[in-house]
Amino acid sequence: DTGASQNPRHKITKRGQNVTFRCDPISEHNRLYWYRQTLGQGPEFLTYFQNEAQLEKSRLLSDRFSAERPKGSFSTLEIQRTEQGDSAMYLCASSFFVLASTDTQYFGPGTRLTVL
Amino acid sequence: TQLLEQSPQFLSIQEGENLTVYCNSSSVFSSLQWYRQEPGEGPVLLVTVVTGGEVKKLKRLTFQFGDARKDSSLHITAAQPGDTGLYLCAGGGGNEKLTFGTGTRLTIIP
Repeated sequence: DTGASQNPRHKITKRGQNVTFRCDPISEHNRLYWYRQTLGQGPEFLTYFQNEAQLEKSRLLSDRFSAERPKGSFSTLEIQRTEQGDSAMYLCASSFFVLASTDTQYFGPGTRLTVL
Repeated sequence: TQLLEQSPQFLSIQEGENLTVYCNSSSVFSSLQWYRQEPGEGPVLLVTVVTGGEVKKLKRLTFQFGDARKDSSLHITAAQPGDTGLYLCAGGGGNEKLTFGTGTRLTIIP
């Protein structure tokens, strides 16, 4: 499987503005994950969906962050009132989850956010 | 909190040499995945190991999962410039999120 697809690939915004990113999972994948990766670090989990249900949110996901997957297909991640500390690569991954098997996640190319 | 430590953080070797990178944790994982990431791109899955003691080979790459499922290693034989990248291990706790290590940045010098 190739990975999920994401857009935009790059986003530059001014502090205080809102931004929205989109992730399209691999076809028929029922799980969709969002991670954030800062420079020199491994990705950190933010949240995930199974179909349209958001099943877990990390403490990293402040009130300014919201994610949706309204029809169980693509997902959006919105950041309101961006701060410079939000600058990072935002990664999306998808998987076809089946009980009692390993959940292999396939990542998209990421959206690089720069907050000025 | 589950933590994964990777070593070394940086490794620069000559083409043709062999190398091993390590991924260690005090926690048990039900599975462990290795990814390679190029600059500006998302991680690309290399392998998933699920059984303690399991060894998997992918051409010149050999992956091993520790008997206690707390650690893993990646060995590359006869490294090539195309192996350059950030190698990430990620532990799966069951059916949910991955916990990533900090990565090993590998540079192969032609």
